[in-house]
Amino acid sequence: GQNIDQPTEMTATEGAIVQINCTYQTSGFNGLFWYQQHAGEAPTFLSYNVLDGLEEKGRFSSFLSRSKGYSYLLLKELQMKDSASYLCAPGRNTGFQKLVFGTGTRLLVSP
Amino acid sequence: KAGVTQTPRYLIKTRGQQVTLSCSPISGHRSVSWYQQTPGQGLQFLFEYFSETQRNKGNFPGRFSGRQFSNSRSEMNVSTLELGDSALYLCASSPTGRGRQGTYNEQFFGPGTRLTVL
Repeated sequence: GQNIDQPTEMTATEGAIVQINCTYQTSGFNGLFWYQQHAGEAPTFLSYNVLDGLEEKGRFSSFLSRSKGYSYLLLKELQMKDSASYLCAPGRNTGFQKLVFGTGTRLLVSP
Repeated sequence: KAGVTQTPRYLIKTRGQQVTLSCSPISGHRSVSWYQQTPGQGLQFLFEYFSETQRNKGNFPGRFSGRQFSNSRSEMNVSTLELGDSALYLCASSPTGRGRQGTYNEQFFGPGTRLTVL
């Protein structure tokens, strides 16, 4: 089975830093994805963590702790265009591509 | 390289009808997954196809089915439509579905088909 928990909605202001948390319980865990989805558009890939630790990619960073079943997405120097939903998706080691997505965190960035 | 394409983009059907949605993956990608997205349930996995074989399936009733052709294009079919089937149906493609050391390959999503059932 699989349980994924992330906040439903967050708000922040331009230029700020925001951290979106995701906790999960996944049997056969094998890495975690973060996707960004703007309203009315398809999800786009942000990051994939397999090992514990922080991976930085420009203004976005993603952290994973496998032992704690915990990940976060850190967004720095927020811009208005970062207003979107952020989806956490742990992968299961079934040998095949099966991702189960959380319901997502809707981030609203205000001026 | 062209992205994942889905047709049609919008569809309106009535209860009891059936519908077929189409997905063309990125050239060279052999894995195609289908997802249903609704405001209340989020993104839910329907099934995944690889080399014309369904190798993974989510918890959806048998009314939902799919197939993949030799050119990796995929279709999904929903029979006897219900009001609750109204959703955005997303298709995602991936090179093989599995990367080095059992890790995943990134999935690339298409724009989706917005299905409305009246």
